[in-house]
Amino acid sequence: EVQLVQSRAEVKKSGESLRISCKASGYSFANHWIGWVRQMPGKGLEWMGIIYGGDSETKYSPSFQGQVTMSVDKSSSTAYLQWSSLKSSDTAIYYCARPYGSGDWGQGTLVTVSS
Amino acid sequence: DIQMTQSPSSLSASVGDRVTITCRASQAIRNDLGWFQQKPGKAPKRLIHSASTLQSGVPSRFSGSGSGTEFTLTISSLQPEDFATYYCLQENTFPLTFGGGTKVEIK
Repeated sequence: EVQLVQSRAEVKKSGESLRISCKASGYSFANHWIGWVRQMPGKGLEWMGIIYGGDSETKYSPSFQGQVTMSVDKSSSTAYLQWSSLKSSDTAIYYCARPYGSGDWGQGTLVTVSS
Repeated sequence: DIQMTQSPSSLSASVGDRVTITCRASQAIRNDLGWFQQKPGKAPKRLIHSASTLQSGVPSRFSGSGSGTEFTLTISSLQPEDFATYYCLQENTFPLTFGGGTKVEIK
């Protein structure tokens, strides 16, 4: 059974850094893409980007290029999403998910950024 | 970027009704389209991939159709557990893009 288990909710202040995680199991992590989806409060879904588990090739959606950094640790089958300086507008639920036909999503990580 | 225009943005329906939701792509995407259901406080759940293939475990009252630029999600007989928000997602070209969502409410 495929599982994507995300890290717990975070409460941060503007300007702080943050890294959230998504641990995958039940499939060959190195042979598949995995990505991140943002959902701001009361809003729709936005695909942020995807990263390949085997070689860390990364594609960012234009709106998120330069705003976040995606990475993976192949040895632990874990994907990461990182901010160097959070803004209040980063307050959202972030989901990890496997694209391209897969039904596998994490449970979501709520990130709250206060000014 | 490929724009996905989803309609309607909301609808009210009764249990047993047939419901249809449409997504239009700004350019042809073959059949590289998925449909998702999201209930409040929950992660989205993929219902359909490749425009018309049901994900394992999804009830057969859900169906998808279309190719190119026009796609449809149909719920043949709406059940109480189907009241939720539905999204389409094009997976043909990066960046992947979602439709704006359709909220299905109880009439």
